[in-house]
Amino acid sequence: AQTVTQSQPEMSVQEAETVTLSCTYDTSESDYYLFWYKQPPSRQMILVIRQEAYKQQNATENRFSVNFQKAAKSFSLKISDSQLGDAAMYFCAYTTTDSWGKLQFGAGTQVVVTP
Amino acid sequence: DTGVSQDPRHKITKRGQNVTFRCDPISEHNRLYWYRQTLGQGPEFLTYFQNEAQLEKSRLLSDRFSAERPKGSFSTLEIQRTEQGDSAMYLCASTSPGPNYEQYFGPGTRLTVT
Repeated sequence: AQTVTQSQPEMSVQEAETVTLSCTYDTSESDYYLFWYKQPPSRQMILVIRQEAYKQQNATENRFSVNFQKAAKSFSLKISDSQLGDAAMYFCAYTTTDSWGKLQFGAGTQVVVTP
Repeated sequence: DTGVSQDPRHKITKRGQNVTFRCDPISEHNRLYWYRQTLGQGPEFLTYFQNEAQLEKSRLLSDRFSAERPKGSFSTLEIQRTEQGDSAMYLCASTSPGPNYEQYFGPGTRLTVT
């Protein structure tokens, strides 16, 4: 069975600083996708960034970047130049190409941004 | 593109009552997913539709739960004889055809069973 683990229930960061969220996963598959989703309070979940397992290059989206370590089954998210609007729950998620795309989520990390 | 919508946004019901939720995916999306999210946890997969066919159901989906997607458009999730343990946020997501696994989520329906 595949599992996704986020070991940090909460992370605090000051505006303009950088924060890194950790995620590890367990799988025997070779072809899979990893995602970070953001869920602001009382608002819907939105995709932050995605990574295909077959790609060695780490994905980046503006201030968001990942550190994908396939052998270690690690997929961390770095938020640079943090802004107040980054405050949210962040979920790491995983899916395989043969699982209909259903997502397995970690328990989430609450990001608190202080002025 | 109006995004994924869900109705109602909130539902309070008494134990033993039946409830039905609706999800309208993005119009060209043929794949639709239902998830359940309890407080402080990540969403858990419930069921998946490709067009009108329900292709997978989680073991979390007991016999009291049923989902449909007639004509491959909107979907409904019904819970019969609700229990307090059913209290959760029910999320719907959709994905476009092809090798694309990016799911677009609706705002969810928060169910409270008293």
